[in-house]
Order: sequence, then structure tokens, then C-alpha cells
Amino acid sequence: GIQVEQSPPDLILQEGANSTLRCNFSDSVNNLQWFHQNPWGQLINLFYIPSGTKQNGRLSATTVATERYSLLYISSSQTTDSGVYFCAVEMDTGNQFYFGTGTSLTVIP
Amino acid sequence: EAGVAQSPRYKIIEKRQSVAFWCNPISGHATLYWYQQILGQGPKLLIQFQNNGVVDDSQLPKDRFSAERLKGVDSTLKIQPAKLEDSAVYLCASSSSLAGVSTGELFFGEGSRLTVL
Repeated sequence: GIQVEQSPPDLILQEGANSTLRCNFSDSVNNLQWFHQNPWGQLINLFYIPSGTKQNGRLSATTVATERYSLLYISSSQTTDSGVYFCAVEMDTGNQFYFGTGTSLTVIP
Repeated sequence: EAGVAQSPRYKIIEKRQSVAFWCNPISGHATLYWYQQILGQGPKLLIQFQNNGVVDDSQLPKDRFSAERLKGVDSTLKIQPAKLEDSAVYLCASSSSLAGVSTGELFFGEGSRLTVL
């Protein structure tokens, strides 16, 4: 099956710092999403981004499908950004999303 | 728009007991998924429904897990008998996607945290 790898696995930032999270996938994908899992376990949708670049406030994401990777940028990080960030990819239209290994982010004041 | 609803939020049982989780997807979403998330790992698909039919249950441990979506809306996931290794968060998700036809964004409920003692 498809391999989805995220880096770095763990990240500690000072509040206000910027960061880039990476998601690599081993095969062509039909779709890609980024999620933030908060400390209570809820998976929050960040971006639905099969290709191109999107921005939402301090967050932005870029997917280069031809090179099989996606990047999530967090600028001016806040303590509320702490949690685990997952990318998930869909190989075949309308079928399951495969999740990456996650990046655990801790933002300290 | 109401999100994906799940219950119960927390459940503690002893091994060999049974448990059931309920999910109500976003209105109009044809596709419903149950994922299992073990601590420290990403979610893993257990079963995918499209309306009331099963699209993929290849990773569902069918000797102890069962799931149904009888009227193509709500779904129930059951574990009987539970094992220690079933301790996890069970996440329900829904999407407007249709297998082989169209894709859509995945939305998750808050999850049901199971502890098996």
C-alpha cells in the first residue's frame, strides 16, 4: 500500500516562531488533506489540497502532486497550535484516506 | 451545519465484555468511515460504507468487530469480545465522496475513547 511519511516527527517552537511540516507520499494520489489533532483528540480540518497552494490566516499549504509531497506552513505560532498534525491522502477516487505518521508540535510561551 | 456526532465519548470495560459505538454523519453524506486510532499512531481505517453498503472492510477484525449502517445514515460499531489491544479512540468520519465517482473532504467526529482493562 501507499506509504505516507511526515517530518519532523516532533517539533518544539517558541511562541511567534515559524515552521514547515512536510508530508511525502509514495504513489500518485487523488486527494490530500491536512488535519490538526488537538489535545482533546479532535481532528480539525485545515486544508483540502490535492494540488496548488492555499492560505488560511497564519497557515498555508502547498501540494506538489507530481513530486509527491505537501508542505504545511505555520507562521507566528501560538500555544493553541500545539497538537499533532496529520496529512492524509486518498489514492483512488472516493475511497479511504491513508494517514501519515504525524508531526507532534509543542509551542511554548 | 451540524458536524459528525459520536457517542459515547468515553467507555471503560473489562476484557471479554462487549461495547458499541454510534455515529451520525453530516446530513447528506453518502460515505461513512470508522477509523481506529491507537495512542501515538495515525488513524487506521476499519470499515467504509457508501449509503448502506460496505465499500471496504478488509482491515476490520471480523472475528470480534462488526459494523452496520442499516438505513444509510447512522452507523454502529460493535466489539465483542473486547481485548486489551482494542484500547484506542474510535473515530467516525463522513464525506460526500462516492467510490469510483467523486472525491470529497473528510470530516471527523470527536471520537469515542475506549479503555479495556
